[in-house]
Amino acid sequence: AQTVTQSQPEMSVQEAETVTLSCTYDTSESDYYLFWYKQPPSRQMILVIRQEAYKQQNATENRFSVNFQKAAKSFSLKISDSQLGDAAMYFCAFNTGTASKLTFGTGTRLQVTL
Amino acid sequence: SAVISQKPSRDICQRGTSLTIQCQVDSQVTMMFWYRQQPGQSLTLIATANQGSEATYESGFVIDKFPISRPNLTFSTLTVSNMSPEDSSIYLCSAGAQYFGPGTRLLVL
Repeated sequence: AQTVTQSQPEMSVQEAETVTLSCTYDTSESDYYLFWYKQPPSRQMILVIRQEAYKQQNATENRFSVNFQKAAKSFSLKISDSQLGDAAMYFCAFNTGTASKLTFGTGTRLQVTL
Repeated sequence: SAVISQKPSRDICQRGTSLTIQCQVDSQVTMMFWYRQQPGQSLTLIATANQGSEATYESGFVIDKFPISRPNLTFSTLTVSNMSPEDSSIYLCSAGAQYFGPGTRLLVL
């Protein structure tokens, strides 16, 4: 069975600073995908970034980047130049195919302060 | 890309009643997924809905409690049957990792 663990229930960052959210996972699969989602109070799930396990290069999307350590089964999210609009719940998730079911971590609530 | 809509967006229901949630995708998709997000919790998969076959339920979820329909490649419904306060949650449908509906917030009194 696949599991996803987020050990930080809450994090706080000052505006314009950088924050890293942690995620570890466990799987016996060799091909899989990892995702970070943002869920603001509106509850809409927004895909922030995805990483294919077969790619060694870390994914980047504007201010969001990941540190993917396959051997360590670690997948952290770095948010640079944090903005007030980044405040939300962030979920790490895993699946074995782009059309397959997702397994989610427990989430990290990110606060952004002035 | 796909846009997903859900109806209703929220509802307040009485114990013992049932509610059907509709999920509409603006393009054809093979698989649709129904998730439950209990208050302050993460998302848990209820079932996977394939067109033309029975839904596949995850451990802890049964068809009698959460019947699902998938009449075509753009539409699915999830019914929450014989509701109790423990069913108060957000229910989200998904058409893959990139596409989620806005969720249905259900409160059972």
